[in-house]
Amino acid sequence: GAGVSQSPSNKVTEKGKDVELRCDPISGHTALYWYRQSLGQGLEFLIYFQGNSAPDKSGLPSDRFSAERTGGSVSTLTIQRTQQEDSAVYLCASSLGNLNSPLHFGNGTRLTVT
Amino acid sequence: GDSVTQMEGPVTLSEEAFLTINCTYTATGYPSLFWYVQYPGEGLQLLLKATKADDKGSNKGFEATYRKETTSFHLEKGSVQVSDSAVYFCALSSNSGNTPLVFGKGTRLSVIA
Repeated sequence: GAGVSQSPSNKVTEKGKDVELRCDPISGHTALYWYRQSLGQGLEFLIYFQGNSAPDKSGLPSDRFSAERTGGSVSTLTIQRTQQEDSAVYLCASSLGNLNSPLHFGNGTRLTVT
Repeated sequence: GDSVTQMEGPVTLSEEAFLTINCTYTATGYPSLFWYVQYPGEGLQLLLKATKADDKGSNKGFEATYRKETTSFHLEKGSVQVSDSAVYFCALSSNSGNTPLVFGKGTRLSVIA
């Protein structure tokens, strides 16, 4: 069955360029989450969506980061003017949105900023 | 704010050894607790969960008991296999609303034959 799909799986970009990361959640999942996984830092929460709205954007590291979700489905995470410290694996997860619904994760996008 | 602390790895064990990965949490109210596992080259997946005090979550031979008195949710397995080699993440979910999971930093387990 279809799980959470993220693209691209790998992205190498030059410092200062903009990048766009895509997440296709499991069909019917109303909640969608973005996390960042850095070496030795665990999973850092970035933002989550309930439907198309984002009740909690508190984890976005700076105003260079933004995310949107359209049609209650696909989400894009955009990083403008990338910096080397943005290098990490960006993980997307979706869930049914009910209390204690498990999160289903994609395989992530590995971003390397050179 | 809510937080999760888990033992730092890496942990290296021989096959059939006993595994414990410690996890403690700080949270207001009564959170739900989870263990997620990330096998090499794969995404994170739920391993087990417990939603109230004294509940025991179990799956694939792994167990963890929600201990409110010690604010802990330690992961245990009686006899590990090479296929258990992965990174294990402890996480909590506040029951005060639809808030995102808070994860620990992960513990890498390597099991050698």
